[in-house]
Amino acid sequence: QVQLQESGPGLVKPSETLSLTCTVSGGSVSSYSWSWIRQSPGKGLEWIGNILYTGSTKYSSSLKSRVTISIDTSKNQFSLKLTSVTAADTAVYYCARDHFKGGYSYGLDYWGQGTLVTVSS
Amino acid sequence: DIQVTQSPSSLSASVGDRVTITCRASQGIRNDLSWYQQKPGKAPERLIYSASSLQSGVPSRFSGSGSGTDFTLTINGLQPEDLATYYCQQHNSYPQTFGQGTKVEMK
Repeated sequence: QVQLQESGPGLVKPSETLSLTCTVSGGSVSSYSWSWIRQSPGKGLEWIGNILYTGSTKYSSSLKSRVTISIDTSKNQFSLKLTSVTAADTAVYYCARDHFKGGYSYGLDYWGQGTLVTVSS
Repeated sequence: DIQVTQSPSSLSASVGDRVTITCRASQGIRNDLSWYQQKPGKAPERLIYSASSLQSGVPSRFSGSGSGTDFTLTINGLQPEDLATYYCQQHNSYPQTFGQGTKVEMK
């Protein structure tokens, strides 16, 4: 059974960089695609971006200037960095596996429990 | 970007009712759409993929249909444990996008 666990600071100051890591167990990051999604308090889901096991990345149009997703196959982890954060970036951040096969995505089949990141001084 | 418009934003139904939620994509996405259920305080869980394929372990009262731009999630015989918010997601092209969500409440 694939399991994902987000980790990182729960509080980030405005203008600083948000950094989160997702550790994968029960499966390898050297296959499939790996995603980040966020949910602002009381709001809907927002896709941030993903990284294929090859290292190829795709990002949200509204966040692409501030987002970097990377992968570390030796640690079976992938990571999110979001620069120049503001209060609008306060959200629960989820990592998830993208069920990616044969060049197609079949949606997000495994999710982490989510981690709340608050942007405040 | 492909926009996904989900409706209604909320609904109230009784146990045993048939519930229908729709998603419309701003352009054709074949059948590259998934449905998720999110219970309060929990991570979303995939219910349906490829528009109509049931995720393993999901009760058969959940079903999905559609192709192209119009999609439907149906719950046949609503149960108390189905209280949740439901989201659709298109994964035909990047960036992937979610619908706004439908909150299902019990009457």
